[in-house]
Amino acid sequence: DQQVKQNSPSLSVQEGRISILNCDYTNSMFDYFLWYKKYPAEGPTFLISISSIKDKNEDGRFTVFLNKSAKHLSLHIVPSQPGDSAVYFCAARGAGSYQLTFGKGTKLSVIP
Amino acid sequence: EAGVAQSPRYKIIEKRQSVAFWCNPISGHATLYWYQQILGQGPKLLIQFQNNGVVDDSQLPKDRFSAERLKGVDSTLKIQPAKLEDSAVYLCASSLEARSNEQYFGPGTRLTVT
Repeated sequence: DQQVKQNSPSLSVQEGRISILNCDYTNSMFDYFLWYKKYPAEGPTFLISISSIKDKNEDGRFTVFLNKSAKHLSLHIVPSQPGDSAVYFCAARGAGSYQLTFGKGTKLSVIP
Repeated sequence: EAGVAQSPRYKIIEKRQSVAFWCNPISGHATLYWYQQILGQGPKLLIQFQNNGVVDDSQLPKDRFSAERLKGVDSTLKIQPAKLEDSAVYLCASSLEARSNEQYFGPGTRLTVT
């Protein structure tokens, strides 16, 4: 039973264009969402997060949007750069819980 | 600031053998996590420590996996005996406290069980 789903295993985008990575969740008790970025042979690195009381959080080139009614969040990267090529994991945490539940990840390739 | 350290980086063992992984979290981080990441999956929490106490080990296969965090700093994760399905990357992470929004991950140990 996958509670956090990233349905696109991979995504290719031209340098300078927008990258949109999507994530869906099924557990309505999740109240905090995070995106992690992972390069090969390294551990995941925290990128950006959003609380369920917000619908948007922005940090430089990265923006996360949350649609609670649709149980959907997305990560926008504008403009995309070759160094953004990595696997992106969506993660969620439930109210009162310490545990993060991760999706399977989406591999982003930014083509120069 | 030094990151989360893990060793070894790679390990190959035969099934039914035992193996141990070591993690040194970021200095001052009270909370330590062990995750298992099977190829093509996201990380799955195995166990979470707050200082030297266990907060959550509900997904730890306790018949073969064990973990400890003596003195509330370093931690070891052991598998005994290993099965083929234990082949995965074992990630250690730490955070300032249990409800911290950000966890810092180490590079992981890639385990191959043959």
